[in-house]
This record gives sequence, C-alpha cells and structure tokens, in this order.
Amino acid sequence: DAKTTQPNSMESNEEEPVHLPCNHSTISGTDYIHWYRQLPSQGPEYVIHGLTSNVNNRMASLAIAEDRKSSTLILHRATLRDAAVYYCILYTSGTYKYIFGTGTRLKVLA
Amino acid sequence: GAVVSQHPSRVICKSGTSVKIECRSLDFQATTMFWYRQFPKQSLMLMATSNEGSKATYEQGVEKDKFLINHASLTLSTLTVTSAHPEDSSFYICSAQGQEGGANVLTFGAGSRLTVL
Repeated sequence: DAKTTQPNSMESNEEEPVHLPCNHSTISGTDYIHWYRQLPSQGPEYVIHGLTSNVNNRMASLAIAEDRKSSTLILHRATLRDAAVYYCILYTSGTYKYIFGTGTRLKVLA
Repeated sequence: GAVVSQHPSRVICKSGTSVKIECRSLDFQATTMFWYRQFPKQSLMLMATSNEGSKATYEQGVEKDKFLINHASLTLSTLTVTSAHPEDSSFYICSAQGQEGGANVLTFGAGSRLTVL
C-alpha cells in the first residue's frame, strides 16, 4: 500500500493560515490524495481530495506538487474548531482501500 | 451532505459476550463500507472491507471469526465482536464509500466505544 508521511504535530495561531504538508513519494498515477480530520472522540470527517490539479472547497485548499510526490492542505484562517488530527491518505484504485498514516495533530492557539 | 449513523456509541459488556455494532448510510447507498479500529492516541487501523452481498475482506492479522461483518443491504453493515475479551476494548469506526466530484470518498460514523469488563 502506498504510504504517506506527515509531521506529528503543528501549531498555528488563530485567524492565521495553516499549511499542513504530506509526502507520498510512492504515489502511482491513479492514486487519489485524500485529506480527513478527526476531532477528539469522533469519527473522521472528509476535508478534500484531488488527483493532479489544485482543489478548493469551503473547508480548505489542496495544493498538489507537479510530480505528485507531495501535497499541502491549506486552511486559510485557522479557528479553534480546526484543532484536530489531520490525515493525508492515498486512495488506491487498485486495492480499493484507505490506509491511514499517523496524521498531524494541529493545535490552534487563541 | 452524506450521513452515516453508527450505533451504539458506547457499549460495556462482560467478557465472553458478543456485541453487535450497526453502521447505516442514511441518505445514500453504499456498496462498500470499511471498518476501522482505533486505540487511544493512535491512528485508525483498517480491519476489513465490506461489500454488499459478498463476504468481507479482512486485513492481515484480523480474525474473521472474531469480528463478523455482514453487509446485507446497500445501507447497512454490521460488525459483531464475538466472545469479547478485555483486549477487544477499543474505538470501532465504520465508514461508507460514496461519491464526491466524481471520485470515491468516505463518510464516517461517529464511532462506537467498546469496553469489555
């Protein structure tokens, strides 16, 4: 299964942008890049996904490197409610599985 | 948006009993559902992939006779922990695969916290 690497933790000040990096050097051509986040004691929540082009939605933006070996989730203005563990996942169409890595624990400072 | 209901949210049982957890997609049909297990301070571990009308596919190291998965309809999958023991205590989370922008994405249930005494 293709793997992702993320920093264990990051901090951000409230109202400032946050850039959460993810490395996926073994990505294959048909793998989608997904981001989910998990608040304490809850199930994960879908944030965004992409294949090759950058993507924007109401929650965040996803910037994908040209070689697709890395991506960055961008929260434009962090709020206290954005404090969560953010998981970058590769959805492999060959195996049809979503394998979670260790994720990045984001702490937002008031 | 897509909603997945998972029940019960918390269950406490005695060692040796069986516990059933239900996962329902409320406003969409899910051919494929996934079951995860999560220990405190750890990431989600995929247990099995559940496909409607067929046997579940279990990940390596997950006992299929211990964790029975049934996906009898396009909106319901169940996980039964049979003869539960304290080491089975964990947070179990289901997810249903739906479509978003032409791609498959997951919608998760709120999770079920199992405590085996």
